[in-house]
Amino acid sequence: KQEVTQIPAALSVPEGENLVLNCSFTDSAIYNLQWFRQDPGKGLTSLLLIQSSQREQTSGRLNASLDKSSGRSTLYIAASQPGDSATYLCAVTTYNQGGKLIFGQGTELSVKP
Amino acid sequence: EAGVVQSPRYKIIEKKQPVAFWCNPISGHNTLYWYLQNLGQGPELLIRYENEEAVDDSQLPKDRFSAERLKGVDSTLKIQPAELGDSAVYLCASSLAAGVDNEQFFGPGTRLTVL
Repeated sequence: KQEVTQIPAALSVPEGENLVLNCSFTDSAIYNLQWFRQDPGKGLTSLLLIQSSQREQTSGRLNASLDKSSGRSTLYIAASQPGDSATYLCAVTTYNQGGKLIFGQGTELSVKP
Repeated sequence: EAGVVQSPRYKIIEKKQPVAFWCNPISGHNTLYWYLQNLGQGPELLIRYENEEAVDDSQLPKDRFSAERLKGVDSTLKIQPAELGDSAVYLCASSLAAGVDNEQFFGPGTRLTVL
């Protein structure tokens, strides 16, 4: 059974700092991995999607990497801003499950001005 | 284009009462998902519909939970009777079709509090 774990559960950093969020999964037979952002009281917004054949994806100040063989992904946020404060979730998709997303528990990020 | 719409956004009920949540997916999206998100946890799939057919409901507690998607568009998730442990956020998502290549778009969720 696929399990996804995110460390740390919560993180507080000063504005401007670069930071890394971690995600690990137990079964390397994934199709893709996504990073989502969730603001309080809101739904999930997809940030980056990495196919299993890819090593990384970048969008603005965000960079996500994937090491499928070791079951790890990282989300790197450069020059953090208070507006980045949110919960960040990673999720994997496996074959033959109709696109079912299996989520980690999330990392709650707080960026202090 | 409107996103996934859910209502109500918040619901407070007493235990043993029934409750229903409604979801309107993005127009043209054939696949609809209901997820349960407990506090401090990631969402977990409850049920997936392809058009009006429930094709994955293995995680749906069928003794008290039920869902329907009449006409393959809107969907309703019901709990009867509600228990204290059902307090959570219920998220609806939709995609053009099922399968790993189809991005899921999420609604804002319904936050349920059972007293």
